[in-house]
Amino acid sequence: EVQLVESGGGLIQPGGSLRLSCSVSGSTVSLNYMGWVRQAPGKGLEWVSVLYVNDNRYYADSVKGRFTISRDSSRAPFYLQMNSLRSEDTAMYYCVRDMGDGYTAAWGRGTLVTVSS
Amino acid sequence: DIQLTQSPSSLSASVGDRVTITCRASQRVGRYLSWFQQKPGQAPKLLIYAVDSLQSGVPSRFSGSGSETDFTLTISGLHPDDFATYYCQQTFTSLFSFGPGTRVDAK
Repeated sequence: EVQLVESGGGLIQPGGSLRLSCSVSGSTVSLNYMGWVRQAPGKGLEWVSVLYVNDNRYYADSVKGRFTISRDSSRAPFYLQMNSLRSEDTAMYYCVRDMGDGYTAAWGRGTLVTVSS
Repeated sequence: DIQLTQSPSSLSASVGDRVTITCRASQRVGRYLSWFQQKPGQAPKLLIYAVDSLQSGVPSRFSGSGSETDFTLTISGLHPDDFATYYCQQTFTSLFSFGPGTRVDAK
């Protein structure tokens, strides 16, 4: 079983930057993608970014140009660099990945990002 | 981008009820349609993947069906532990999307 643990969230002023990390442990099963999903307080789930094993990356329109997803290797931590943060970026951020079959089976517990002055 | 809609947005049900939630995609998603359950303060949990495959450890009262653009999650006999919010998700396109969610609460 794969375990994902997020870190790096916190309170940040508008316009600031944060870097979220997701550590991966457990099963060595291959993957197709890893990514980040967020959930604003009292709202639904929103895909933020996906990084495929072939290094293709995709971003939600709401974060394009401000957020960057990256990784060191398929099993090492992966990251979400968030720049020019806005109040509407306030959310719980979950790191996720598939188990090689395209379905988002593994989730972390989330890290809270609060953008406020 | 593929948009997903869910109906109803919320429902009230009793223990033992049969519950059906529908998800409609703005274009075909093949078999890349999943269902998640989320309880307050918890991360979402995968229930159903590939339209109708039950994730390991998930009770058999949960089932999925559908094809093309129309999909259904059914709970055949609601348990007290099933009061939660349910989301459909497509992973057919490069950037995935979720439905807006269906909240199931106690009548």
